[in-house]
Amino acid sequence: GESVGLHLPTLSVQEGDNSIINCAYSNSASDYFIWYKQESGKGPQFIIDIRSNMDKRQGQRVTVLLNKTVKHLSLQIAATQPGDSAVYFCAENTRNQAGTALIFGKGTTLSVSS
Amino acid sequence: KAGVTQTPRYLIKTRGQQVTLSCSPISGHRSVSWYQQTPGQGLQFLFEYFSETQRNKGNFPGRFSGRQFSNSRSEMNVSTLELGDSALYLCASSVSSQGVEQYFGPGTRLTVT
Repeated sequence: GESVGLHLPTLSVQEGDNSIINCAYSNSASDYFIWYKQESGKGPQFIIDIRSNMDKRQGQRVTVLLNKTVKHLSLQIAATQPGDSAVYFCAENTRNQAGTALIFGKGTTLSVSS
Repeated sequence: KAGVTQTPRYLIKTRGQQVTLSCSPISGHRSVSWYQQTPGQGLQFLFEYFSETQRNKGNFPGRFSGRQFSNSRSEMNVSTLELGDSALYLCASSVSSQGVEQYFGPGTRLTVT
């Protein structure tokens, strides 16, 4: 079936480093992608999104890159901080006539050591 | 503005019982979606409601059902609980049914024994 997946289940970085979290998707018809951050005991928190007509979008300390040719999505976090430690999910939004549904990847656990 | 709220936060049930979970969306949001999160399967879409109508449904058995009220609040029900239904059930709301930003609640942790 169609799914969105992440390349690595875990990523460990030092405080101040830049982090890159990758995601591969399989549905070429998807037109909207989102990155979520989930901290322990909480629901997913929206980080940044990108539409399929864009290649790059920047937020505060975060950048999302979309490569539609190879169906690849990445989240870059600049100057990673201990507070960035969490599970990160990419999700694709499949639209149909009925409505929408988010398809999530498995998640990457980011651990930041100081 | 208050975020998405879910009640109860924790629940323990026995196999064969049924359970009802509640979700109050952000004020002004008319779309509510439900997701199941487990360590093995990750986050999986259950269903989406908009203006009291189910707009989309994931690949779950008929034991899982939901509804939405005129004030956009939503409930989901699971009947004849199985051990595998133990999970974190998340509710997300958005302004419209055309996706865009979905804001998640803290979830309800259901344990089936």
